[in-house]
Amino acid sequence: DAGITQSPRHKVTETGTPVTLRCHQTENHRYMYWYRQDPGHGLRLIHYSYGVKDTDKGEVSDGYSVSRSKTEDFLLTLESATSSQTSVYFCAISDRGTGDNEQFFGPGTRLTVL
Amino acid sequence: GENVGLHLPTLSVQEGDNSIINCAYSNSASDYFIWYKQESGKGPQFIIDIRSNMDKRQGQRVTVLLNKTVKHLSLQIAATQPGDSAVYFCAENGGTSYGKLTFGQGTILTVHP
Repeated sequence: DAGITQSPRHKVTETGTPVTLRCHQTENHRYMYWYRQDPGHGLRLIHYSYGVKDTDKGEVSDGYSVSRSKTEDFLLTLESATSSQTSVYFCAISDRGTGDNEQFFGPGTRLTVL
Repeated sequence: GENVGLHLPTLSVQEGDNSIINCAYSNSASDYFIWYKQESGKGPQFIIDIRSNMDKRQGQRVTVLLNKTVKHLSLQIAATQPGDSAVYFCAENGGTSYGKLTFGQGTILTVHP
């Protein structure tokens, strides 16, 4: 998984609670991404980061926030989890932000919101 | 991942056969494409990529073909093995910067010994 870890790997929480997922990389890559994967929708980009403290929204950013205080960590926060946010979340990294650079994915976090 | 298999196209082949997985992309501005493999419970794994200035690119046992006229991408796997069983996704960059990718729904490949 290209030096990418995600924590926790599994989490069950209740509606309305805050949740933070962590992505940690040891590759010193500048670009990091958060995706969610759902049946019928494939992988969809939530937020991405193009440097420390530089982030932007993806196509499904509502209800999510991110932070990147250092190169190796990218945090995804659900301020008030809803059942629609039950999903598998993947972090990805890339060493170039050009449009022609592959992304490498972490192992994923399975989140269940009851 | 689990449950991503619902409603996905499937392809079943015998071990040793060649497999062809197809993908239609939508954005004519896309100039970079990737194929990923995803095994159950794991993250997507990079297989091969191709830029729009190419029609064909070969890797180890895999070949990607790009037809920009009809916006079609295919992945050919030679001598398919049981370990190739997985969900395969194509992704396109939509001509964007920051490496933002749009993924297809995926195809389930099952290889029978």
